[in-house]
This record gives sequence, C-alpha cells and structure tokens, in this order.
Amino acid sequence: AQSVAQPEDQVNVAEGNPLTVKCTYSVSGNPYLFWYVQYPNRGLQFLLKYITGDNLVKGSYGFEAEFNKSQTSFHLKKPSALVSDSALYFCAVRDGRRDKFYFGSGTKLNVKP
Amino acid sequence: GAGVSQTPSNKVTEKGKYVELRCDPISGHTALYWYRQSLGQGPEFLIYFQGTGAADDSGLPNDRFFAVRPEGSVSTLKIQRTERGDSAVYLCASSSSGYDTDTQYFGPGTRLTVL
Repeated sequence: AQSVAQPEDQVNVAEGNPLTVKCTYSVSGNPYLFWYVQYPNRGLQFLLKYITGDNLVKGSYGFEAEFNKSQTSFHLKKPSALVSDSALYFCAVRDGRRDKFYFGSGTKLNVKP
Repeated sequence: GAGVSQTPSNKVTEKGKYVELRCDPISGHTALYWYRQSLGQGPEFLIYFQGTGAADDSGLPNDRFFAVRPEGSVSTLKIQRTERGDSAVYLCASSSSGYDTDTQYFGPGTRLTVL
C-alpha cells in the first residue's frame, strides 16, 4: 500500500540554525516525491520535487531535500532557518504508475527568533 | 496569472442538506484533483479528472459524494445528505497534465461545516 509518514508533529528550531523535516514513504512503483508548505488560511504551495536523477533536489526559498532510496526517505532541509519559514509542511508521494497522490499528516515548523 | 480559485470559502450547512463546492482551475490545466483535509491531517485524495472524465474516483468515501467537470475546466463537488463527519476543508488542485510529474497548484480551499 502507498503511504507517507512524517514522524514529527512539530519541529522547533532557532533562527539561523539548520532545519530538517523528516519524511518516509512506501510505494509499489518508482516514487515521485514532493514537498508542499501551507501557511495559515492559504492553499498548499509547491516547494520541490524528486522524480529522477540527482538525489539532492533544490527548491524554493532555499529549501532542499535528499532522496534516499535504501531508507525510503525524502527529508526536507534548509541550512539556515528564517522566522518566516514557520508553517505547516507536507510530504507527498505519487506512485509513478498512477496519478494518485498520498500526503503525510504534516509537520509544523516553528522557527524562533 | 490567476491561480486556482474555490467558492465558497466557507460553507455552513445542516445535517442532511445538499451542498455544492466549486473549483476554477488555472486556465489551460487539463488535470484537476479534489482532496479533503480534516483537522490535523494531510490532504486525502478524493477524485482526479483528466479533461472532462473522472480518471480515478477511488477516493470518494461513498455514493453521497459526486463530482463533475462537464466542459473540462470548472469542477463541482457535490455532497448529498451531508453528515457531521463531512466537515473538513475541501481542496482543489490543478496541473497542466496528469500523465506526468507536473506540479499541482492548490486553491485556498472551502471550509465545510455540517451542524
């Protein structure tokens, strides 16, 4: 069965420190992996995606994510967090053979000044 | 250009009533998705359209839920005999093609409250 797990409901980090938001997945085919961010009262915004190629993917607002096939993970990272990065982050996976997307339950990122 | 829009932004209804939620995708986007997001959860897939046809409706929870996209642009999600458990934010997303890996662009959602 296809699924996505975000093991942390909340991540707290100080401004200027590196951040990591974790995601693991399970799909039967080749995984297509995505990260979205949701600000209060706004729709989900695309950050980055991994389809194939380089395992390190760079996206919007200085975020990047690393695809690790052996660990079935796709963790979101940023070298230096900003207070404005505080939001809800969702990992999503699509089974390469289908068009259906599966989302994790979300991780709330709190960046404190 | 304009993004995905959804109307109404909020809908309060009584148990047993019928509701319609509308989604206007980005112009030219052929693929359209409906999701339901309950409090504290990620979006849950409901249905996916490629053009006018529903390519995958396996996420619709039961036969009270139905969606249409008659002209391949605007879509309407219809819920009959609403129940309190239907209360959630209903999200719509569109992409330029559903057959590859194009990015989904989400609307702001419709918050449905069933009293």
